[in-house]
Amino acid sequence: ETGVTQTPRHLVMGMTNKKSLKCEQHLGHNAMYWYKQSAKKPLELMFVYSLEERVENNSVPSRFSPECPNSSHLFLHLHTLQPEDSALYLCASSQERRDTQYFGPGTRLTVL
Amino acid sequence: KQEVTQIPAALSVPEGENLVLNCSFTDSAIYNLQWFRQDPGKGLTSLLLIQSSQREQTSGRLNASLDKSSGRSTLYIAASQPGDSATYLCAVGPLEGAGNKLTFGGGTRVLVKP
Repeated sequence: ETGVTQTPRHLVMGMTNKKSLKCEQHLGHNAMYWYKQSAKKPLELMFVYSLEERVENNSVPSRFSPECPNSSHLFLHLHTLQPEDSALYLCASSQERRDTQYFGPGTRLTVL
Repeated sequence: KQEVTQIPAALSVPEGENLVLNCSFTDSAIYNLQWFRQDPGKGLTSLLLIQSSQREQTSGRLNASLDKSSGRSTLYIAASQPGDSATYLCAVGPLEGAGNKLTFGGGTRVLVKP
C-alpha cells in the first residue's frame, strides 16, 4: 500500500455536478499538495498546505476548493467544472516544505 | 519566472544502452532539484533529490548531476532495462518563497526496447 492514497481513481462528472477528491497520507508528513497534470502540459502546482494551513494558492479558479481538516487528509472540492478541467489530479506530501515529495496515484477526472 | 525544459521529449534506446536525460532551468536561485519517474496513468516516484550545494547524487544505476551556474542537470541511467521505460520528470524548488513550489519540466518519455 502506497504511503499516499487517493480516491476515487477515476471520476466522470458533468459540468453542473459537485464532487470531491480525497487524499490521505500515512507517512506522518506535515505538508500536502494538489497538482494538476493535463495532456501536453507540465505538472502544475495548485495548492500547498503546511500544518493544515494553506500557504500557497497558485491562481487556481474558485471552482476548485481545497480543504485540509488535519495533517493526514486533503480534499479537493469540485463544482461547475469545465471540460478543460479534465486532467490527472495528483496529491503529494512531504515531511517539511522543502523535503522530497511523495505522490499518490492520482485521480483521472473527465468533465463532460 | 522559473522555466524548466527537458530535451528530448521522447527517447528510444535498445536494452543495455546508457540513458542520458537533460534538464535545464532559467533561474539558478534554486534550493534543490528532483528527478521523478512516472509510469503511464500513475503518480510520480521520487528518484533523486540534489540540494543546491551538491554536485551529484547516486542511487544504484542512477546518477544525477547538477550545474547550478549553467542551469543544467543530467540524469544518467546505466545499462538500461525494459523496466526503465517511463516518463522522467525534473523539478526545481525555489530558493525563496513559501511552500515548496516545485516547477516541473515537460518530461522525457523513455522507451527501452528488449
